[in-house]
This record gives sequence, structure tokens and C-alpha cells, in this order.
Amino acid sequence: DAKTTQPPSMDCAEGRAANLPCNHSTISGNEYVYWYRQIHSQGPQYIIHGLKNNETNEMASLIITEDRKSSTLILPHATLRDTAVYYCIVRVFFTGTASKLTFGTGTRLQVTL
Amino acid sequence: ETGVTQSPTHLIKTRGQQVTLRCSSQSGHNTVSWYQQALGQGPQFIFQYYREEENGRGNFPPRFSGLQFPNYSSELNVNALELDDSALYLCASSSWGYYSGNTIYFGEGSWLTVV
Repeated sequence: DAKTTQPPSMDCAEGRAANLPCNHSTISGNEYVYWYRQIHSQGPQYIIHGLKNNETNEMASLIITEDRKSSTLILPHATLRDTAVYYCIVRVFFTGTASKLTFGTGTRLQVTL
Repeated sequence: ETGVTQSPTHLIKTRGQQVTLRCSSQSGHNTVSWYQQALGQGPQFIFQYYREEENGRGNFPPRFSGLQFPNYSSELNVNALELDDSALYLCASSSWGYYSGNTIYFGEGSWLTVV
């Protein structure tokens, strides 16, 4: 029941910005968009999340369109260590306090020299 | 380092057996969720615990059950193991919030192999 669509794979040159797109056209008004990455089937690593405003932290920036139907994760200066599977996720609420993260199949980002 | 710890990291069980996986949530986090990740797939939500009660469940049969303790740590129990239960089991913790966009942190997972 994934609510997101991502390209299966992307390449990026080291030092360049990596822009990972995500479609979530059926997102509801109270549902957040989260981004995680996973390296070699370790636990998912939190990157960033947002509701409707653009967000930035030390790892990345998240750009959410005004209609909230899509978003882009930006890694400003990709390094080889950023090679991973990146998941765009919608946090779905059952009730005000119960929720789940709906993972799709993610984007495999390959950073090359 | 997320502060979410899981044990054991790897284990092998025989079909039909039972298994218990454990999770210690990050300090201050009172909500714990469990996810199953089969090889090559994204994690799938099993259930969530808050205040020692299950308050949300995914499409998993009743032989998947859990507990949350007063210190917010949690257990995932799987009875009558099947071969398809072989997967990485992930624990995620967060603080409580009403429709809150709080940060959710995952542990490194427990690899379960059923033979």
C-alpha cells in the first residue's frame, strides 16, 4: 500500500548535487513526507521530513511542491558514501497518535568518481 | 547512532519454532513500531505500541505479537515460524505526538533466518 513512486535507480557524480524525485499524488493533508536511506541492509537512516514547507538540515534539503503531490530530496555535494537505497515515505495516521511509515521500493543512488 | 538497540543481530530458527526479538528505544521515546523487511524489498509495518498497548497493526497474522514494557522497551514474538518469515526485523522509536511530525529512528535490525 505504498503511496509513493520513485525511479528505481539514479547515478550522480561525486561532488555534484543529487536530486531524487518522488511522487505522492494521493497524500492526505495531515500526512508527512519522510526520507530515509539504507546501506547494505543496515537499519534505515533518517535524513529529513516535512509536511508542506521546504526543509533543510545538515544532510539534505527537502523541496515539497505547493500541491504536495511530489517532492525532491537534494544532497548538495554527493560523496561515495552517499551510495545507498533512498526511500521516500508517507507517514500514514490510523488515529491521531497511531501511524505507520509506508515504504515503497526506493531509488538506488549510485555515486561515481 | 540512533540510540535504538536491537538484539540479537542474527539468529537461525527451525520452521515451527518461536522467536523473540528485543528492542530498546531511544531515551525519551515512548512509541515503538516494528517492521519486517524481506530481501530486496522495502520494510513493511507490523505494529505499533504506545503506553504498553498495541495501537496500530499492519497486514500480519496473529502469530506476530508484541509487548511494550514500562521503560518503553519492546519485544516482537513470532510463533509457528514459517520459511517466509526469514527477513530483517526492524524496530523504530519516536516520541508521542498527536498527528505529530516527530522524527522516527530505526535500529540496525535483527536478521532472522528460518530453515
